[in-house]
Amino acid sequence: DAGVIQSPRHEVTEMGQEVTLRCKPISGHDYLFWYRQTMMRGLELLIYFNNNVPIDDSGMPEDRFSAKMPNASFSTLKIQPSEPRDSAVYFCASSPHPLAGGEGTQYFGPGTRLLVL
Amino acid sequence: RKEVEQDPGPFNVPEGATVAFNCTYSNSASQSFFWYRQDCRKEPKLLMSVYSSGNEDGRFTAQLNRASQYISLLIRDSKLSDSATYLCVVNAGSQGNLIFGKGTKLSVKP
Repeated sequence: DAGVIQSPRHEVTEMGQEVTLRCKPISGHDYLFWYRQTMMRGLELLIYFNNNVPIDDSGMPEDRFSAKMPNASFSTLKIQPSEPRDSAVYFCASSPHPLAGGEGTQYFGPGTRLLVL
Repeated sequence: RKEVEQDPGPFNVPEGATVAFNCTYSNSASQSFFWYRQDCRKEPKLLMSVYSSGNEDGRFTAQLNRASQYISLLIRDSKLSDSATYLCVVNAGSQGNLIFGKGTKLSVKP
């Protein structure tokens, strides 16, 4: 398996522009998670899905952020409009159902480094 | 109180040293516990799960104290390649998500 795939790996954009981050989870995993990591705040959960349904989006900073999972193999995180304070590394992770073993271990993608100027 | 607290370090140790990291968590309903490792500019990766009876994986030993809500990681005979940030992770009670600590940075010197 190729693991969790994220694109783009790097994104530099100007304030006000729309940014779309993409994620392909590991095949067969029921859960998909979006995180943001900064030096100041560490790794923060933004939203997670179970079987393509959003379960908890309480970590989404504000209405400028939205996430979708149209099918089991694809998810997007969109920021519109982007602001300089959104600059961070955005990770996508997936995990199997806890009953499938692994106790909910999460497998992370390589991340997208976003810089908003 | 933060949900998962760790000493950020850095811990600077010589090769061959033994080093221990500690972590406390606030949610007494947490059932699963992990240590993840994150190398510089890389994604977090599972290092090991932490079991109630304590568990060992080579040079790494993890301990859990549910009464004190405390988790530890011991690394024996440190290698240069152990240099990384170690993240303490607990599950969010009955929910499917995990709560990550901010990590403890370890630097092993020759």
